[in-house]
Amino acid sequence: GENVEQHPSTLSVQEGDSAVIKCTYSDSASNYFPWYKQELGKRPQLIIDIRSNVGEKKDQRIAVTLNKTAKHFSLHITETQPEDSAVYFCAASIGNDYKLSFGAGTTVTVRA
Amino acid sequence: GAVVSQHPSWVICKSGTSVKIECRSLDFQATTMFWYRQFPKQSLMLMATSNEGSKATYEQGVEKDKFLINHASLTLSTLTVTSAHPEDSSFYICSAPSTGAETQYFGPGTRLLVL
Repeated sequence: GENVEQHPSTLSVQEGDSAVIKCTYSDSASNYFPWYKQELGKRPQLIIDIRSNVGEKKDQRIAVTLNKTAKHFSLHITETQPEDSAVYFCAASIGNDYKLSFGAGTTVTVRA
Repeated sequence: GAVVSQHPSWVICKSGTSVKIECRSLDFQATTMFWYRQFPKQSLMLMATSNEGSKATYEQGVEKDKFLINHASLTLSTLTVTSAHPEDSSFYICSAPSTGAETQYFGPGTRLLVL
């Protein structure tokens, strides 16, 4: 099955700086890569996603890049704010079964 | 976006009892729903895929007789934890893909504590 690895496990940044989280996947058939933000005790919220036919996608301060050849994708958060502090999960799925394989998560702390 | 609800939000029960958790898609139909378990400070682990009108498919290592799944309609899936034990204490979350797309929306989760 699909194996998704995520790094780093924790990330502390100064408010206003950028944060980058990287994920790799094992199955070249994976074609959908969402990123979720989860605050303590709450549900994961989709923040951005990318499909395999696209190399980069941006939504305001958040961007995701995908390198299919290397089988890795990254989340970039610019101009970080305290409310960006949360756990972020990357995920990958194959085809039309919609099953998501999640990375281990990255705890992001934005220092004011 | 699509809305998924779960009930109850938390439950405390005695060891040996069964607990039923409901997952509903409120504004869309979901022929497929997913059930995850999340232990503290860990990632989401897929337990099973709930299929409307047919049997659920379970991930390796998940006991189908312990975690009963019923997908009774296009908007409702239920997970029953049978004969719950303290090691079953966890955060259970369901998700459903929006109609015709890969985007998945998660329910708010159910926190189960087995004493």
